[in-house]
Amino acid sequence: EADIYQTPRYLVIGTGKKITLECSQTMGHDKMYWYQQDPGMELHLIHYSYGVNSTEKGDLSSESTVSRIRTEHFPLTLESARPSHTSQYLCASRREGTGELFFGEGSRLTVL
Amino acid sequence: AQTVTQSQPEMSVQEAETVTLSCTYDTSENNYYLFWYKQPPSRQMILVIRQEAYKQQNATENRFSVNFQKAAKSFSLKISDSQLGDTAMYFCAFMTTSGTYKYIFGTGTRLKVLA
Repeated sequence: EADIYQTPRYLVIGTGKKITLECSQTMGHDKMYWYQQDPGMELHLIHYSYGVNSTEKGDLSSESTVSRIRTEHFPLTLESARPSHTSQYLCASRREGTGELFFGEGSRLTVL
Repeated sequence: AQTVTQSQPEMSVQEAETVTLSCTYDTSENNYYLFWYKQPPSRQMILVIRQEAYKQQNATENRFSVNFQKAAKSFSLKISDSQLGDTAMYFCAFMTTSGTYKYIFGTGTRLKVLA
């Protein structure tokens, strides 16, 4: 079982609220990723990090922001949630050498 | 730019039978990794099998094996003796070993194993 955790698992909030999706891993991995998974299940990379204080935007334009102050922690923040942000968000970390990704269980966000 | 294509959105197979999921990719790189990931309903995505491009031998993991054709840029997954627990979304993925080490995922194949 992977040592990567996401909270909350499910969240329903109103438009305009600020939310933070938490992601933590205990494997000491430098590389971490946030993916948005649409209803058709396709994965879209929205942010990634190569280590502490290193973050980059992914391929899918996103109004969210991320930070990486500690190796084990990679939170994603939406300053003002909108219905278009309704989706499942998956966090992952990558093992060096093998390239294997370890995924969290996901955070399913619904914005009303 | 690299791309990964899974042309079978949905498939079904009878329990105990064999099924093959297709994946093709496009890249100009010579060194890279290919992966198959499994996402069961409402559960975590996990790695099924991994292949390094420089290895000619096809990877196998118990009932799962791949047919890696580097020249054709094809990377199919064969599941033998299918079990009900194999029901899941399966994603093919590509990772470069140069530059950004970016991961590229296919659009997924939904596999249903029938009792």
